[in-house]
Amino acid sequence: AQSVTQPDIHITVSEGASLELRCNYSYGATPYLFWYVQSPGQGLQLLLKYFSGDTLVQGIKGFEAEFKRSQSSFNLRKPSVHWSDAAEYFCAVGRNQAGTALIFGKGTTLSVSS
Amino acid sequence: EPEVTQTPSHQVTQMGQEVILRCVPISNHLYFYWYRQILGQKVEFLVSFYNNEISEKSEIFDDQFSVERPDGSNFTLKIRSTKLEDSAMYFCASSRVTETQYFGPGTRLLVL
Repeated sequence: AQSVTQPDIHITVSEGASLELRCNYSYGATPYLFWYVQSPGQGLQLLLKYFSGDTLVQGIKGFEAEFKRSQSSFNLRKPSVHWSDAAEYFCAVGRNQAGTALIFGKGTTLSVSS
Repeated sequence: EPEVTQTPSHQVTQMGQEVILRCVPISNHLYFYWYRQILGQKVEFLVSFYNNEISEKSEIFDDQFSVERPDGSNFTLKIRSTKLEDSAMYFCASSRVTETQYFGPGTRLLVL
């Protein structure tokens, strides 16, 4: 069955510290992978995506993610967290075809302490 | 930057009533989607729509749900007879021919 697992429900990081949010997927075909962020009261904003090519992808707001096929992982990283990064982060996987469903993980809530 | 918009932001309805959630996708996008997120649970796919037809739908999208593109800009989700378990945040999304889906801010539906 196709699924996305985000093992960490809630993470607290000090401002300025590095961040890694984990994402593992189970998908039968070549996955298209996404990270979205949701701030309180806001919609889902695309942070970055991986379709093919370089397995390290850069996104907005200084985020990056690395696709590791052997580990079925697509972890999100940021070298130095800012207080404004506090939000909920969702990993999602889809097929390489427009009009098809994205499968989401349950999300990880990030808190940033000063 | 173009955005997906949704109205209303919040809606409260009585069980058994019909509701229509509205979305304006990004103007040059061709594919449209509805997802929902029950409080504390995953974002779940409901349906996708292309060229005035449903492309794909999930098991959740049963006969009480319908979608429509009534004009050149709006995309709607109708829930015919709401149940308590329909209470959720409903997200609309759109995409061009690429696979990247852009989401709206959501409509929070509360069924009493």
